[in-house]
Amino acid sequence: AQSVTQLGSHVSVSEGALVLLRCNYSSSVPPYLFWYVQYPNQGLQLLLKYTSAATLVKGINGFEAEFKKSETSFHLTKPSAHMSDAAEYFCAVSAPAGGYQKVTFGTGTKLQVIP
Amino acid sequence: ETGVTQSPTHLIKTRGQQVTLRCSSQSGHNTVSWYQQALGQGPQFIFQYYREEENGRGNFPPRFSGLQFPNYSSELNVNALELDDSALYLCASSLSGQIEAFFGQGTRLTVV
Repeated sequence: AQSVTQLGSHVSVSEGALVLLRCNYSSSVPPYLFWYVQYPNQGLQLLLKYTSAATLVKGINGFEAEFKKSETSFHLTKPSAHMSDAAEYFCAVSAPAGGYQKVTFGTGTKLQVIP
Repeated sequence: ETGVTQSPTHLIKTRGQQVTLRCSSQSGHNTVSWYQQALGQGPQFIFQYYREEENGRGNFPPRFSGLQFPNYSSELNVNALELDDSALYLCASSLSGQIEAFFGQGTRLTVV
């Protein structure tokens, strides 16, 4: 079984401030982990992915995430928030499940950026 | 190279009706997955198709069914629509063996 928990359904930061979105996962096998961003009425866009190589993963738009096995966490960070970062962010875990890669998403965190 | 396209973008159906949603996968991708995203929720896995066969299914009733065609495009069919089926339906395509999936813009289904 696998699951994802995103702490905080809404996060507000000031423009230029640090962005930290939290994600904890559970998986019975070594997982792949993802962060996606969703703008209103849009599909999901991949920000970054962890595939068991480097534990610190850099993605698009200045985002990065660190895989911490001991804490079962994969938190998303960005040093300086921009207005265009306002969106909903989803953490996801992927692991093999009987012939296919099962992907489980968290419930999402809406990021508000205050000017 | 075209991305994943879904049609229609929006539709409204009446409870009890049937609906078909369509997805064209990204060029070269042979695997298609469908997700239901209810308002304020994360996407929930419905099922996955690979080479025209369903090879994985989430916790959805049989009235949710699908097809994949030889060109790897796909359909999601929902029978006997219920109000709770109102959601954004997302299609994602990938290449078998690759973990990264590419999502379409979704179809917003409203059941009244």
